[in-house]
Amino acid sequence: EDQVTQSPEALRLQEGESSSLNCSYTVSGLRGLFWYRQDPGKGPEFLFTLYSAGEEKEKERLKATLTKKESFLHITAPKPEDSATYLCALAHTGGGSEKLVFGKGTKLTVNP
Amino acid sequence: DTAVSQTPKYLVTQMGNDKSIKCEQNLGHDTMYWYKQDSKKFLKIMFSYNNKELIINETVPNRFSPKSPDKAHLNLHINSLELGDSAVYFCASSQDDRWEGYTFGSGTRLTVV
Repeated sequence: EDQVTQSPEALRLQEGESSSLNCSYTVSGLRGLFWYRQDPGKGPEFLFTLYSAGEEKEKERLKATLTKKESFLHITAPKPEDSATYLCALAHTGGGSEKLVFGKGTKLTVNP
Repeated sequence: DTAVSQTPKYLVTQMGNDKSIKCEQNLGHDTMYWYKQDSKKFLKIMFSYNNKELIINETVPNRFSPKSPDKAHLNLHINSLELGDSAVYFCASSQDDRWEGYTFGSGTRLTVV
């Protein structure tokens, strides 16, 4: 069974203090690994899709990387507006359709 | 010009009632989904529809019945509501031939009292 485990559950950073969020996974055949950002009272917002080990993607202060067992979301010099819950999810094809299996998220708080 | 819109945003109702949540997407996507986010913020798939056809039904009680009148709409009807149904329900859509993940709606917070 597909599993996604995110750590830590919560992370507090000072503005400018870089860090990384971890997403470890087990899947029979990876179709894609996704990172989403969720703000309170809103739906998850798509950030990145990674398809194969060694792939990296960047967007502003965020960089996502992928290995065969885990993905990291690196946050460089974070700002208070980066505070949110970051969700990792994976997809594998099965039955002709796709479904995402989500981790429980990491709640990031960036203090000014 | 909201991409995936859900109504209502908040729903408070008594146990035993029947309620519906509506979802519409204007992205031209082929597949639509319902996800449930519990009090621990864990998102779990309930249903998916592809061009009005049910594809995924993840061991959801029979009290939950999705209906897709066309590929732009996926509604969720819930019979005999129970306290444990209280959660945030998210609608989402995706385009199968351009795998870029889902676009989520803003959620419907259901509270059963």
